[in-house]
Amino acid sequence: GAGVSQSPRYKVAKRGQDVALRCDPISGHVSLFWYQQALGQGPEFLTYFQNEAQLDKSGLPSDRFFAERPEGSVSTLKIQRTQQEDSAVYLCASIISDRATEQYFGPGTRLTVT
Amino acid sequence: AQKVTQAQTEISVVEKEDVTLDCVYETRDTTYYLFWYKQPPSGELVFLIRRNSFDEQNEISGRYSWNFQKSTSSFNFTITASQVVDSAVYFCALSEEGNTPLVFGKGTRLSVIA
Repeated sequence: GAGVSQSPRYKVAKRGQDVALRCDPISGHVSLFWYQQALGQGPEFLTYFQNEAQLDKSGLPSDRFFAERPEGSVSTLKIQRTQQEDSAVYLCASIISDRATEQYFGPGTRLTVT
Repeated sequence: AQKVTQAQTEISVVEKEDVTLDCVYETRDTTYYLFWYKQPPSGELVFLIRRNSFDEQNEISGRYSWNFQKSTSSFNFTITASQVVDSAVYFCALSEEGNTPLVFGKGTRLSVIA
């Protein structure tokens, strides 16, 4: 596609539910990043992949968060047993190669946990 | 550890005024990259510029200009003759090298009033 797409754009979950957020990167982009953006804050790194390999997951806030990119293209961020503090915008970005620097972002998924 | 500080939380200007957004960074790396992103109300982060640590030349792109000064660890962004469409949250970000996570500041919300 022309840009990074994310779905759903909005998700409301009841506390304790599991959610799955999807990211479709720009076609051919090697690396994919997930960020969490709380209201009024800058994005904070969660995890990233180079192709299907998860190179860094140090930003995942707890073991309830899990990300995968099994075929090196689409990625899914899963949050189990959601809590109110998980409410945020989840942003996905992709980058064209392992030598590139500019990350191109999707529109984000706004997660609200009630 | 890397850190980006945007001390201005909100700025409000009247259309056609010039405005400068400040960014101060901390890093121990000798090679690093600095970025500015724009986040309009739609929420998608839009890449504006990248600078690497070896290139201190200032850059101008239309009404936008950037002033990178390693001596003061600053990478400031000026919008000349601001327009209402410039209203957005602007983020400064830092990465240690290509294809690595971005560290963002908290952002500066710019409101341009007609």
